[in-house]
Amino acid sequence: GQNIDQPTEMTATEGAIVQINCTYQTSGFNGLFWYQQHAGEAPTFLSYNVLDGLEEKGRFSSFLSRSKGYSYLLLKELQMKDSASYLCAVHTGGGNKLTFGTGTQLKVEL
Amino acid sequence: GAVVSQHPSRVICKSGTSVKIECRSLDFQATTMFWYRQFPKKSLMLMATSNEGSKATYEQGVEKDKFLINHASLTLSTLTVTSAHPEDSSFYICSARETATNEKLFFGSGTQLSVL
Repeated sequence: GQNIDQPTEMTATEGAIVQINCTYQTSGFNGLFWYQQHAGEAPTFLSYNVLDGLEEKGRFSSFLSRSKGYSYLLLKELQMKDSASYLCAVHTGGGNKLTFGTGTQLKVEL
Repeated sequence: GAVVSQHPSRVICKSGTSVKIECRSLDFQATTMFWYRQFPKKSLMLMATSNEGSKATYEQGVEKDKFLINHASLTLSTLTVTSAHPEDSSFYICSARETATNEKLFFGSGTQLSVL
């Protein structure tokens, strides 16, 4: 079966850095996605990791360790608009099938 | 980036009626589209994979006669919730893979279905 774990909620301060972890145990692995979702809206793509290491894209970075079944999303210089749910999704098998974690609800405070 | 249009964004219907949700890829061709549902504060659960020109592949526990999927063209997939009941109330989201790439999935804006 597929098992993807993320913390349910996190709170951070505006301007700070926050790291959202994701661990996974899946049958097969092609890559790992991070999506941002605001309430009532569709998810938006943030990053895609296939190889081990850190991918940096502006204020957002994503890290992957395939041997450990572990990824994290790093958000720097937090802004209030970053308050959202962050979904970790693992791409398994063919056909771009994604299995989503339960999401981490991030609240950014002043 | 690629755009996926989903319509309607919100629908309220009486129990027993059928509701059709459309998902269109506006500027790319999508041989495969995916339908998800999401309950409040929960993650997306894949319901089915829609393949252009062939039958959809449903995930375990999803009733194919209840959730009819049609993918008649490379830019359009529809999900019909037949004889809707209050327990079908949920947020339904489609996504499409751009045929030319093998990475990103692009999501529609979602449909909030409320069955009274």
